[in-house]
Amino acid sequence: ETGVTQTPRHLVMGMTNKKSLKCEQHLGHNAMYWYKQSAKKPLELMFVYSLEERVENNSVPSRFSPECPNSSHLFLHLHTLQPEDSALYLCASSAAGTKLTGELFFGEGSRLTVL
Amino acid sequence: QKEVEQDPGPLSVPEGAIVSLNCTYSNSAFQYFMWYRQYSRKGPELLMYTYSSGNKEDGRFTAQVDKSSKYISLFIRDSQPSDSATYLCAMSGTSYDKVIFGPGTSLSVIP
Repeated sequence: ETGVTQTPRHLVMGMTNKKSLKCEQHLGHNAMYWYKQSAKKPLELMFVYSLEERVENNSVPSRFSPECPNSSHLFLHLHTLQPEDSALYLCASSAAGTKLTGELFFGEGSRLTVL
Repeated sequence: QKEVEQDPGPLSVPEGAIVSLNCTYSNSAFQYFMWYRQYSRKGPELLMYTYSSGNKEDGRFTAQVDKSSKYISLFIRDSQPSDSATYLCAMSGTSYDKVIFGPGTSLSVIP
């Protein structure tokens, strides 16, 4: 079983739909992240949760809503998305706690297409 | 000026070649430097992790950091087709600070 598991791997949704991405980590880490990866662009940090508390919200539009019910699970709720939101959404975890310079362990990503 | 710059490639080399991948950065506060490898349809995985300046070697891979020039490199010796992937450089500061990634360089090693 991989350390960080993301579901679904692929998602196609219309602009009026509501969907959620799920991430689960089995590594005993205490920090979890959502990143957006678009073609030819650097990974964009969206949200960070450390010890289940959101510590970073990187000016992400409100149509993206994160949820971290416990240290092992992270969700990204999606609603009224735009076509430019189509990208690979990566979840990561680390053992860094409040010192977020530790190694990041990534899931395989959820490929999102917004029609 | 972008915080981290990296030539996106694609870079294509024959099997057995020495590969040099590079990144430049602008923030002198960066202290931790990383290289991630991302295979197609997979998430990035950490390949090398160095602190401050100097070299670090791990098998066929060598990471170099030159803080005075704000320049980091990853060398791959005796490259193999299995090294074909996108290589992302990443870096962060010393305190509560997020990791900044480069856009990645796509590498193909041709048998």
